[in-house]
Amino acid sequence: KNQVEQSPQSLIILEGKNCTLQCNYTVSPFSNLRWYKQDTGRGPVSLTIMTFSENTKSNGRYTATLDADTKQSSLHITASQLSDSASYICVVTRLVQTGANNLFFGTGTRLTVIP
Amino acid sequence: ETGVTQSPTHLIKTRGQQVTLRCSSQSGHNTVSWYQQALGQGPQFIFQYYREEENGRGNFPPRFSGLQFPNYSSELNVNALELDDSALYLCASSLAAGLANYNEQFFGPGTRLTVL
Repeated sequence: KNQVEQSPQSLIILEGKNCTLQCNYTVSPFSNLRWYKQDTGRGPVSLTIMTFSENTKSNGRYTATLDADTKQSSLHITASQLSDSASYICVVTRLVQTGANNLFFGTGTRLTVIP
Repeated sequence: ETGVTQSPTHLIKTRGQQVTLRCSSQSGHNTVSWYQQALGQGPQFIFQYYREEENGRGNFPPRFSGLQFPNYSSELNVNALELDDSALYLCASSLAAGLANYNEQFFGPGTRLTVL
């Protein structure tokens, strides 16, 4: 069964601290993995995208890693800011020819950054 | 901003009513996907439209239907609303080409539907 699991479910950190969010998946065959940031009540916004051959990708203070062998990804946030408070969703794309219904979403990690 | 717009932003309906949600895709994109996101959950795939044709459907009943227009904008229609239909409805546009698996989906801001 194609699944994406994220941990922790929620996280509270102090402003300025670092944190790491985890994503494990069983989606196969694998095409790519994306991390999205979703503010409450808003649409997800893409942070990073990685294909099979990429094991790290950075976007400012966000760094994503991918281990395609163990089917694990992480999103590391450095020097957190209050504006980082949001849900972070891991999305894995399955390689299929039809191109439809090939995205598998995690339930997200709710991050709260406190002053 | 992704260039994908949705309307309305919020909507309140009563059980049994019908609703139409609208989505304008990013310029140049020919594919629109619709998702339902319940509170605290990840988005669930409803269906996708590619060049005005339905191109795949998730596990949603027939009372969820859609349209895509020649300008690639799209509508999601839900008939006989139920309380459990209360959710954030997201549309995402992308440019399908070939296997179309690397093409990123750009999400709109969503429509918050509340069914009373």
